[in-house]
Amino acid sequence: DAKTTQPPSMDCAEGRAANLPCNHSTISGNEYVYWYRQIHSQGPQYIIHGLKNNETNEMASLIITEDRKSSTLILPHATLRDTAVYYCIVRGGNKLVFGAGTILRVKS
Amino acid sequence: GAVVSQHPSWVICKSGTSVKIECRSLDFQATTMFWYRQFPKQSLMLMATSNEGSKATYEQGVEKDKFLINHASLTLSTLTVTSAHPEDSSFYICSARGFMGLAVRDTGELFFGEGSRLTVL
Repeated sequence: DAKTTQPPSMDCAEGRAANLPCNHSTISGNEYVYWYRQIHSQGPQYIIHGLKNNETNEMASLIITEDRKSSTLILPHATLRDTAVYYCIVRGGNKLVFGAGTILRVKS
Repeated sequence: GAVVSQHPSWVICKSGTSVKIECRSLDFQATTMFWYRQFPKQSLMLMATSNEGSKATYEQGVEKDKFLINHASLTLSTLTVTSAHPEDSSFYICSARGFMGLAVRDTGELFFGEGSRLTVL
C-alpha cells in the first residue's frame, strides 16, 4: 500500500472548517483513499473514502486532486468533539496500514 | 455502520498468565478480521490478518506462538496473549470486514472495535 504524509498536528477554531491535507504521491490506479479518526482510547472511526471523485457524507467531504497525489479531508463546522487523531490511508488490498496521522485540536 | 464489539474492554493480569480477547461482529458476517496493537502516543500497528476457517497471517516481527489468533466463525475472532509480560501491555484493537445483511457484496469498509487495554503486572 502507498505511503501517506500528513502534518503531525493542526489547530482549528470551533465552528470553522477544518481542512486536513494528505500527500500520497505514489498512489496507484486501483488504490482508494480512506480517512479514519481516533478519539483518545477508542477504536478508529470510519469517516469517508474515495477513489478519484470528490465525496461527501454527513461527517465530512473528501477532495482528491486530479492527479490523485494528494487529498484533503474537510470537516465543515468543527466542534470540540472533533478533536482526535485523523489518519489518511491509501488502500488497495485487504489491509489498512496506519501512518502517524494528524492530531487535530479544535479550540473554543 | 456495522458494529464490532470487543471484550473485555480492559484487563489486568499477572506476568506469565494468558489473556484472551474476543472480537465479535454483531450485525454482519466478518469474513476477515484484523488485529492491531497500539502503544501510548503511537499509531496502530497491524499484527495479523485472520480469515474465517483458516490460519492467521502474521505481520513481520509478530510472534505467532505468543499471539494466538482463532477465527472459527463468521462473527467471532479471538486473540490470546500467551505467557504475558509487562512489555505486552498495550491497547489491542480488532477490525472486521465482511458482508452486510443479505448482501453478497463485500462493502470493503473496515469496522473497528472499541479496543481492549491490557496491563500486565
